[in-house]
Amino acid sequence: RKEVEQDPGPFNVPEGATVAFNCTYSNSASQSFFWYRQDCRKEPKLLMSVYSSGNEDGRFTAQLNRASQYISLLIRDSKLSDSATYLCVALPGGGYNKLIFGAGTRLAVHP
Amino acid sequence: NAGVTQTPKFRVLKTGQSMTLLCAQDMNHEYMYWYRQDPGMGLRLIHYSVGEGTTAKGEVPDGYNVSRLKKQNFLLGLESAAPSQTSVYFCASRKQGVTTDTQYFGPGTRLTVL
Repeated sequence: RKEVEQDPGPFNVPEGATVAFNCTYSNSASQSFFWYRQDCRKEPKLLMSVYSSGNEDGRFTAQLNRASQYISLLIRDSKLSDSATYLCVALPGGGYNKLIFGAGTRLAVHP
Repeated sequence: NAGVTQTPKFRVLKTGQSMTLLCAQDMNHEYMYWYRQDPGMGLRLIHYSVGEGTTAKGEVPDGYNVSRLKKQNFLLGLESAAPSQTSVYFCASRKQGVTTDTQYFGPGTRLTVL
């Protein structure tokens, strides 16, 4: 079983739609969580960190459920420019030196 | 402040040739990483370093060697390139000991081995 698992998609949605991505992690001692965005043929870039209480950044909302070992990312009012691959990332406890990346969920927003 | 830089950006090798990929960061980060990413697959960690003079194996280290002689540089070497090493290589760095701090990536090196 992979340490961080994501639905690979693709998610094909029209502009203005709300879309949610889910992610599960296997290491219950994981300390921190992040969502990264990766555009085609580019490097991954941090989209947002995920806090225990949940957090929002404009149209993006991240939630963490430690009991279920589950992380989510909600995108409201999708834009064409949101088309990318979204990577779920966990920092395992005990070492703090390696982030664990999920394989990513691809989002395609169409007109 | 350039962040994480990688050279070269592109390279084509013949089977059996050797090359070194250079990663440099100017953020004074202790941790540095080399990943490869293949079409339809996620990032796979090749090697990493938790400080100057130290290196460790990741999940796919075979066929690669690394060195971290200076804190700001992390080199990835291919001694005898194989077609299976055709990939996009990303370097990354991260600050030590801060669990909430994220990891920063370089722009990648696209390597083709014929």
